[in-house]
Amino acid sequence: QQQVKQSPQSLIVQKGGISIINCAYENTAFDYFPWYQQFPGKGPALLIAIRPDVSEKKEGRFTISFNKSAKQFSLHIMDSQPGDSATYFCAATTHGSSNTGKLIFGQGTTLQVKP
Amino acid sequence: DAGVIQSPRHEVTEMGQEVTLRCKPISGHDYLFWYRQTMMRGLELLIYFNNNVPIDDSGMPEDRFSAKMPNASFSTLKIQPSEPRDSAVYFCASSPLPGGPSGNTIYFGEGSWLTVV
Repeated sequence: QQQVKQSPQSLIVQKGGISIINCAYENTAFDYFPWYQQFPGKGPALLIAIRPDVSEKKEGRFTISFNKSAKQFSLHIMDSQPGDSATYFCAATTHGSSNTGKLIFGQGTTLQVKP
Repeated sequence: DAGVIQSPRHEVTEMGQEVTLRCKPISGHDYLFWYRQTMMRGLELLIYFNNNVPIDDSGMPEDRFSAKMPNASFSTLKIQPSEPRDSAVYFCASSPLPGGPSGNTIYFGEGSWLTVV
């Protein structure tokens, strides 16, 4: 019930295309869903996050779509660029004081954007 | 801000040796996390601290692993004795108080790349 399942494992997209990464969770107590971006040799860095009281959040070319009833959320990268090539992790956590920050990560998606 | 600082960045050690990884969290962050990343298992939370106190160590794989946080600006993760299957990237991360401007954002260091031969 603590798992977050992420797909696909890898993704190749042409420059200018749309990259879509999907995640699903079981624990209905999760109330914070961030996406992290990791470049080779670096630690993951927060990209964008959403809470379940909204169905969509957009920041520049990055959009999270959230479906609470289906317990699914996805990351959309519009107009994908070669500089977006990285590994993307979805995550989930509860905001309660006893578990704050205890992120459960998906397995990661390696994105390659071809020029 | 200097970010989360980890050392060493790379370490190669022989099986059976003791390994100590070090971390300096971002000043003012009350939460500190140790994660391990491997190809097979992805990012796994090993242990995390709140105000220097271990809160959840359920992810620590076995007794060979131990972590300490003697003060707000320093933490160690120790593996003794080390085994080849411990080879991984170990990340330290820190986070401010919940409900603050940064919410639940966790800030990761650049990792310690451990190879046990």
